[in-house]
Amino acid sequence: GAGVSQSPSNKVTEKGKDVELRCDPISGHTALYWYRQSLGQGLEFLIYFQGNSAPDKSGLPSDRFSAERTGGSVSTLTIQRTQQEDSAVYLCASSQGTGNRYTFGSGTRLTVV
Amino acid sequence: KQEVTQIPAALSVPEGENLVLNCSFTDSAIYNLQWFRQDPGKGLTSLLLIQSSQREQTSGRLNASLDKSSGRSTLYIAASQPGDSATYLCAVSGNDMRFGAGTRLTVKP
Repeated sequence: GAGVSQSPSNKVTEKGKDVELRCDPISGHTALYWYRQSLGQGLEFLIYFQGNSAPDKSGLPSDRFSAERTGGSVSTLTIQRTQQEDSAVYLCASSQGTGNRYTFGSGTRLTVV
Repeated sequence: KQEVTQIPAALSVPEGENLVLNCSFTDSAIYNLQWFRQDPGKGLTSLLLIQSSQREQTSGRLNASLDKSSGRSTLYIAASQPGDSATYLCAVSGNDMRFGAGTRLTVKP
């Protein structure tokens, strides 16, 4: 596609439920990144993919968080048993590879009530 | 682990002033450095990308410099306008991309 697409744009969920956030990168971009931005805070690195593999998962906050990428394209970030502290904007970015310009999606605003 | 620091955290200037935003990073083994703009409640917009082999990049009233050996970058904004008000983020790319906490800029009419 022309840009990085994230869905849903907004998600309100009850504490304890699982959620899936989707990122559709720019076609041909091999690198994909997930970040989290809490209210008034900077961007927190979560995970990145080079192709379908994730060399660095060190940013995932807990084992309730997981991510996968299939076919070198769409990625899904899954949060199990959501907690209120998971409320944030989750941003996805893609690039043609490391060292190239990154393009961000508009994000998914997650609210856990 | 790469650490990125931005100074100042917030800046308020009158319209028309020239200003400089600072970014420092701890690991000089980088591919590039990118400056982004973020408006409240919005996503990130890429402003300038400097490859590790470059010293500066310019786009309109914006000029970004990179001194990789000292781990520093500056974003210079000339003749600031109220529309420049936003948070400016510096991001450093190695195998992943790490962000500073940003500088919140307010340009008063």
